Amino acid sequence: ILNVEQSPQSLHVQEGDSTNFTCSFPSSNFYALHWYRWETAKSPEALFVMTLNGDEKKKGRISATLNTKEGYSYLYIKGSQPEDSATYLCASLFGNEKLTFGTGTRLTIIP
Amino acid sequence: DAGVIQSPRHEVTEMGQEVTLRCKPISGHNSLFWYRQTMMRGLELLIYFNNNVPIDDSGMPEDRFSAKMPNASFSTLKIQPSEPRDSAVYFCASCLGINRGTDTQYFGPGTRLTVL
Repeated sequence: ILNVEQSPQSLHVQEGDSTNFTCSFPSSNFYALHWYRWETAKSPEALFVMTLNGDEKKKGRISATLNTKEGYSYLYIKGSQPEDSATYLCASLFGNEKLTFGTGTRLTIIP
Repeated sequence: DAGVIQSPRHEVTEMGQEVTLRCKPISGHNSLFWYRQTMMRGLELLIYFNNNVPIDDSGMPEDRFSAKMPNASFSTLKIQPSEPRDSAVYFCASCLGINRGTDTQYFGPGTRLTVL
């Protein structure tokens, strides 16, 4: 069983503060890492797909980095806003088979 | 584009009944995925199709579950007979299918199934 783990499970952040959380995955046979944003009562929405060690992607105030040698990815949110409240899921692909999802980090922004 | 369409959005049924969930992928997408989301196990892949052919159904829990994709624009997930432990949100997703590893998957709104 290939485990993708996310930490922390939940996080409360004051509006305006920056934050980050982690996705850990087995580094052997790594193929790709996906980040999704999942708002309550909606469906997961893709943020980033990363494949190369050292990759860094950015979309507005959200960015992500990837370390395939040690098996982790960080997601950063700069200057948190209430609309950033959501569950952030990562999913890893091994050998181009199928995505294995973590259980997510539930982020709540406190106004 | 309307995105991935799923129906029904909510389904409440009694134990033992047959349940059919439906999905219409984004036009032009060649890969389709069925996921189940539960509190205990999170989001888990049940089965995926490429060009209407089932590629990996190892995530299908048991023989009560079956999935078909008769054409490029329609797929069904059937549970017969349904049990209370099947209660979950079932998501359908599709992607271009050029490179399933890096293609972005687009998720439908999900079907919330409750089996009494």
